[in-house]
Amino acid sequence: DTGVSQNPRHKITKRGQNVTFRCDPISEHNRLYWYRQTLGQGPEFLTYFQNEAQLEKSRLLSDRFSAERPKGSFSTLEIQRTEQGDSAMYLCASSLFTEAFFGQGTRLTVV
Amino acid sequence: DAKTTQPNSMESNEEEPVHLPCNHSTISGTDYIHWYRQLPSQGPEYVIHGLTSNVNNRMASLAIAEDRKSSTLILHRATLRDAAVYYCILRNEGSQGNLIFGKGTKLSVKP
Repeated sequence: DTGVSQNPRHKITKRGQNVTFRCDPISEHNRLYWYRQTLGQGPEFLTYFQNEAQLEKSRLLSDRFSAERPKGSFSTLEIQRTEQGDSAMYLCASSLFTEAFFGQGTRLTVV
Repeated sequence: DAKTTQPNSMESNEEEPVHLPCNHSTISGTDYIHWYRQLPSQGPEYVIHGLTSNVNNRMASLAIAEDRKSSTLILHRATLRDAAVYYCILRNEGSQGNLIFGKGTKLSVKP
């Protein structure tokens, strides 16, 4: 197992387009987290799954954002009608017990 | 999760010990103290965590004050590869919920 995998690594999109990111967690990790990080800031929590259940959502997750984890394995994060303010690094993490393992992130640029 | 306070930045010389402080005066009895670090262009990685007693692992040591209102991450011999942003996070293990990141301490290591 090579760790948490995120695809794509980079995405450039035009304002108003929809984008979807994928996260493949470490096998058998039942918890999966999405974070957003802008330059100079720490990661901001977006949402959290335990298996396929979405247990917590941040107020940052507006109605343009949706996340799924249909079979309790991989997860997708979709942003509809992207805005320039959505430009950020989107990080995924998974955990089984205490330690959370992060992917390298997907960098989104909205032009 | 309770809030932590860390210096914005610190400098160290290579091969010298580094003590990274964290204040968490509102910590509750069930909050664990976690440390993560983020290398440039990488996702955060777990460093260490503890509850009351000092902890050691291959990466670092964690010294926790007797009243638990502060803690110190100790890197025994800094290397250039330790240059990163270090985050001190309180997490209630009973919730197994998300990690709340602050801005962290940016550690620079000089050769």
